[in-house]
Amino acid sequence: KQEVTQIPAALSVPEGENLVLNCSFTDSAIYNLQWFRQDPGKGLTSLLLIQSSQREQTSGRLNASLDKSSGRSTLYIAASQPGDSATYLCAVRRGGSEKLVFGKGTKLTVNP
Amino acid sequence: DAGITQSPRHKVTETGTPVTLRCHQTENHRYMYWYRQDPGHGLRLIHYSYGVKDTDKGEVSDGYSVSRSKTEDFLLTLESATSSQTSVYFCAIRGTEGDQPQHFGDGTRLSIL
Repeated sequence: KQEVTQIPAALSVPEGENLVLNCSFTDSAIYNLQWFRQDPGKGLTSLLLIQSSQREQTSGRLNASLDKSSGRSTLYIAASQPGDSATYLCAVRRGGSEKLVFGKGTKLTVNP
Repeated sequence: DAGITQSPRHKVTETGTPVTLRCHQTENHRYMYWYRQDPGHGLRLIHYSYGVKDTDKGEVSDGYSVSRSKTEDFLLTLESATSSQTSVYFCAIRGTEGDQPQHFGDGTRLSIL
């Protein structure tokens, strides 16, 4: 059974800092991995999707990497801003399945 | 923003009553999903649909049924609501061109007393 873990559960950083969020998964037979952010009381916003054949994806200040063999992904946020404060979730999808398995998220606070 | 509307956004009801949540999309996407989000459990898939009248169970489908009679609408029904179904329910959609991400609605907060 696929399990997805995100450590730490919460992170507080000063504005301007570069930071890394971690996601690990137990079964390396994934089809893709997706990173989301969730603001309080809101739905999930898709940030990046990495296919199993890719090593990384970039969007603006965000860079997500994938190491399938070790069961790890990282989300790098450059020059963090208070507006980046949110909960970040990763989810993996297995080939042939529509099910996304989510981690419990990392709550990020960026202090002005 | 993905064109997803969930209704109602909030609902309080009593144990044993039927409840129907609606998800409406304007993207003409084939895939639609219902998730629930609970503290300590994260997001879990309830049911999903891969086309009109085509649905399948997810991880936590007991006590729930779904219907999709039109591409744009996906209904989630709790036939006889229980307190354990108090949760935040999210609808998501996904296109089929290439490897598409799932896009989520803003959720329905359901309280069953």
